[in-house]
Amino acid sequence: AQTVTQSQPEMSVQEAETVTLSCTYDTSESDYYLFWYKQPPSRQMILVIRQEAYKQQNATENRFSVNFQKAAKSFSLKISDSQLGDAAMYFCATKTSYDKVIFGPGTSLSVIP
Amino acid sequence: DTGVSQDPRHKITKRGQNVTFRCDPISEHNRLYWYRQTLGQGPEFLTYFQNEAQLEKSRLLSDRFSAERPKGSFSTLEIQRTEQGDSAMYLCASSPNPRLADTQYFGPGTRLTVL
Repeated sequence: AQTVTQSQPEMSVQEAETVTLSCTYDTSESDYYLFWYKQPPSRQMILVIRQEAYKQQNATENRFSVNFQKAAKSFSLKISDSQLGDAAMYFCATKTSYDKVIFGPGTSLSVIP
Repeated sequence: DTGVSQDPRHKITKRGQNVTFRCDPISEHNRLYWYRQTLGQGPEFLTYFQNEAQLEKSRLLSDRFSAERPKGSFSTLEIQRTEQGDSAMYLCASSPNPRLADTQYFGPGTRLTVL
């Protein structure tokens, strides 16, 4: 069975600063994907970034990047130049082939002006 | 592409009543997923469809829950004899195909309150 752990229920960051959200996971599969989803208050969940487990290079999407440590089963999200619109719940998730997505409990990120 | 839509957005019902939610996925998306999300938690998988076939059901989905996707397009989730513990946000997501890498696109959810 797959599990996802996010040890930081809440985080805060000053506007324009950098913040890192932590995620660890457990899976017995060799092929899998990892995701970070963002859920703003009362708004839809959207994909922020995804990482293929077979790729060593860390994924980046503009101000968002990940630090993927496969051996440690760690998948952290770094948000650079934080903006007020980044305030949201962030969910780490994993998925194996032809299977469902398993989400972590989430980290609530506040951005301080 | 109008995105995943869900109806209704909010539903308040009394304990013991039946409720039905609808999800319209993005056109031509083969896969459709249902999740339940309680306050402060991540979404929990309930069930998913590949076209009209229901491929997996979570043990969270008791006998009171049933989901259908009759023509491989929209889906309905019915909860019979609702209980207060059913109060949650019910999320629907769709994806274009079952490849490993496919991204799920989420709808806005239906918030159910059972009084």
